[in-house]
Amino acid sequence: QVQLVESGGGVVQPGRSLRLSCAASGFAFSSYSMHWVRQAPGKGLEWVAVISYDESNKYYADSVNGRVTISRDNSKNTLYLQMNSLRAEDTAVYYCARGLIWFGPFDYWGQGTLVTVSS
Amino acid sequence: EIVMTQSPATLSVSPGERATLSCRASQSVSGNLAWYQQKPGQAPRLLIYDASSRATGIPARFSGSGSGTEFTLTISSLQSDDFAVYYCQQYNNWPRTFGQGTKVEIK
Repeated sequence: QVQLVESGGGVVQPGRSLRLSCAASGFAFSSYSMHWVRQAPGKGLEWVAVISYDESNKYYADSVNGRVTISRDNSKNTLYLQMNSLRAEDTAVYYCARGLIWFGPFDYWGQGTLVTVSS
Repeated sequence: EIVMTQSPATLSVSPGERATLSCRASQSVSGNLAWYQQKPGQAPRLLIYDASSRATGIPARFSGSGSGTEFTLTISSLQSDDFAVYYCQQYNNWPRTFGQGTKVEIK
């Protein structure tokens, strides 16, 4: 069965960096686009970034553009999100999600990893 | 950016009753609209995609309709397991955007 398992969250000071990982299993990871979506405590869902199956296309939300980089290693079935210059407003649960197709919904989600930006 | 607006913010419904949730897009998203269900402490789950197609394993009591800018999620007879927050999302344009959610609570 499809599984997505995020890791790498934690407490980090403002201005510092963090790298999140998402380990995928149960499907042909290299054939799917992958997304990061975040949810601040008690708030709604915010799409963060997407990467195409072959890394040829990447898009970012304006709120993180220039501070985060999405990448993947298809040989390791793993998705990454490198986050730099973290701010308090980046505090959220970060989910990885599989894109059914490029212009499609997110059909599987991980359980999320919590990032807390605080001094 | 396409703004997705959901109404109402909270819907109080008795078990067995029908629930109707609305989602409006600030510009046309064609039929590229999904609905997700999220329960406390859990990840969202895909319910409906392409405005009206049920995702794998989703019960027939969930149905979606609409196109362009106006969309509806209907739960025909609410079960205890259906009380949750529901989000709509457009995937017609970048950035992908979600509505702010509708909480369906027990009346």
